[in-house]
Amino acid sequence: DGGITQSPKYLFRKEGQNVTLSCEQNLNHDAMYWYRQDPGQGLRLIYYSQIVNDFQKGDIAEGYSVSREKKESFPLTVTSAQKNPTAFYLCASSKPSGVFQETQYFGPGTRLLVL
Amino acid sequence: GEDVEQSLFLSVREGDSSVINCTYTDSSSTYLYWYKQEPGAGLQLLTYIFSNMDMKQDQRLTVLLNKKDKHLSLRIADTQTGDSAIYFCAERYSGYSTLTFGKGTMLLVSP
Repeated sequence: DGGITQSPKYLFRKEGQNVTLSCEQNLNHDAMYWYRQDPGQGLRLIYYSQIVNDFQKGDIAEGYSVSREKKESFPLTVTSAQKNPTAFYLCASSKPSGVFQETQYFGPGTRLLVL
Repeated sequence: GEDVEQSLFLSVREGDSSVINCTYTDSSSTYLYWYKQEPGAGLQLLTYIFSNMDMKQDQRLTVLLNKKDKHLSLRIADTQTGDSAIYFCAERYSGYSTLTFGKGTMLLVSP
């Protein structure tokens, strides 16, 4: 089955701890994205990557870091500098070519909670 | 800043039509999207429309685009209880690869 997987489904973070959220896709998509969703809010873009070994900050990048060493993978690290990390994190990918350029497809999400 | 605006809540009865509205900000937006999110899940792409179109129909879904007023709507015919979810409108500006989302409209369908 082709799709986007995120793990874990739930993640608990202690104060001062860095945690990494996994996002993998086997859709052969070039671009990948990380969003944060808070209750009653829309999605806010954290980071995105249009190609391997390159990524750009989104609207709320502070306290987060990413890497894009492989086309299939775009892990997000929530660092201790992110003071309010409790949220639902969504990963998406897209294939920027042709008629369906930039149509983004989403993973199932990871809920991060602070202990 | 740019904002995509949606009404927060809509309640309908099963079998009725639902109309979810959205206003967007950039007249040069190329693509406009509707996503559905069920509780605790990711976003599911429902449909999209190009800015050079006025209407798009896909089974029970009809998207209307009024470029003059920057208004987008999603009509769901014969709404079912399984349609209960949050619906997000999103726009993509010309020359950019990222999307800007509204805050979502919660649709509640009662039997």
